[in-house]
Amino acid sequence: DAKTTQPNSMESNEEEPVHLPCNHSTISGTDYIHWYRQLPSQGPEYVIHGLTSNVNNRMASLAIAEDRKSSTLILHRATLRDAAVYYCILGTGGGADGLTFGKGTHLIIQP
Amino acid sequence: NAGVTQTPKFRVLKTGQSMTLLCAQDMNHEYMYWYRQDPGMGLRLIHYSVGEGTTAKGEVPDGYNVSRLKKQNFLLGLESAAPSQTSVYFCASIMGTARGTQYFGPGTRLLVL
Repeated sequence: DAKTTQPNSMESNEEEPVHLPCNHSTISGTDYIHWYRQLPSQGPEYVIHGLTSNVNNRMASLAIAEDRKSSTLILHRATLRDAAVYYCILGTGGGADGLTFGKGTHLIIQP
Repeated sequence: NAGVTQTPKFRVLKTGQSMTLLCAQDMNHEYMYWYRQDPGMGLRLIHYSVGEGTTAKGEVPDGYNVSRLKKQNFLLGLESAAPSQTSVYFCASIMGTARGTQYFGPGTRLLVL
């Protein structure tokens, strides 16, 4: 399976933008880039996913490098409720793949 | 629409005891999954099912069995619990499309003494 590399933790201030990086230099042409987050004592929840083009939804934006070897999850205006572990995952997102979770990035939001 | 629900929320077992964890989804999803999450780690896939009556092994299947007799339910069984199975167990489901989003349940915390 293609692997991702994320920083162990990041810290940001409330109401400021947050950029969470993910490196995936061995990504294959058919791999989608998925982001999930896990709030304390909860199950993971879907954030966003993309293939080649940048993507936006109500939660976040996903910026994908032209060579697809890296991507960045952007939270435009972080709130305390965004404090969570963020996982960058490659794959189809379903089927026999399941999802392969790494340790993710622990995002700390300071008030 | 309850999404994905898990029963029980918390359980304590003694070594050697057996139990079944229930996952239910009301979204008519085809695929269902069982993961475990150990402290400070990401989730690891135990077993999965691509449809009613079918199951398959994931990354860490040893010590667990599963059944999918009804489309909406996915059961995870521990025949003889061991302390190494102390973990938080998450169930997830997906419609079945290649790019689909997985929906996760709230988790079951299991402590094996």
